[in-house]
Amino acid sequence: AQTVTQSQPEMSVQEAETVTLSCTYDTSESDYYLFWYKQPPSRQMILVIRQEAYKQQNATENRFSVNFQKAAKSFSLKISDSQLGDAAMYFCAYRSSGGSNYKLTFGKGTLLTVNP
Amino acid sequence: EAGVTQFPSHSVIEKGQTVTLRCDPISGHDNLYWYRRVMGKEIKFLLHFVKESKQDESGMPNNRFLAERTGGTYSTLKVQPAELEDSGVYFCASSHIRHENIQYFGAGTRLSVL
Repeated sequence: AQTVTQSQPEMSVQEAETVTLSCTYDTSESDYYLFWYKQPPSRQMILVIRQEAYKQQNATENRFSVNFQKAAKSFSLKISDSQLGDAAMYFCAYRSSGGSNYKLTFGKGTLLTVNP
Repeated sequence: EAGVTQFPSHSVIEKGQTVTLRCDPISGHDNLYWYRRVMGKEIKFLLHFVKESKQDESGMPNNRFLAERTGGTYSTLKVQPAELEDSGVYFCASSHIRHENIQYFGAGTRLSVL
């Protein structure tokens, strides 16, 4: 079974600075998807960025980028020019690519605080 | 376009009572998922509907949990009778059949069993 580990329960960053959130996973599959979701307090969880394992190029979405190291099974999220609105719980998630197995496997989350 | 909506946002019940959670997916999304996060732990998958059929219910903890999706639109998750360990946040998500890779989540229902 796949597992996802987020080793940082909490992180903090100064506004306009850069922060990196860590995520490692364990799988025996060669093809899969990885995601970062963000949940602001009492609000919906939204997809921040996703990566397909067969793609070597790291995904980027505006100020959010990932460092995907397939051999090391690492999938970190970098937030550049941090803003107050980035404060949230961040979840790393894994999904198999095969068949009709669509369920996501999540890490425990990292609570990000942005200091003004 | 409305997102995934869940009702209620918070429910407080006593052990042994029954609670029903509701999820309205995004219109046109055939896939609907239930997940649960117990305090301090990972968000865990409960089950997956495709339209009104249960595709995968491997995450359902026991037979006190019953999920339904009559008509393939909204879904309910009933817990009967509730136990203390059922406390947590229950998330619903939905995805389009052609873009199953992107699951859209609701804000969750926080269930407190006292």
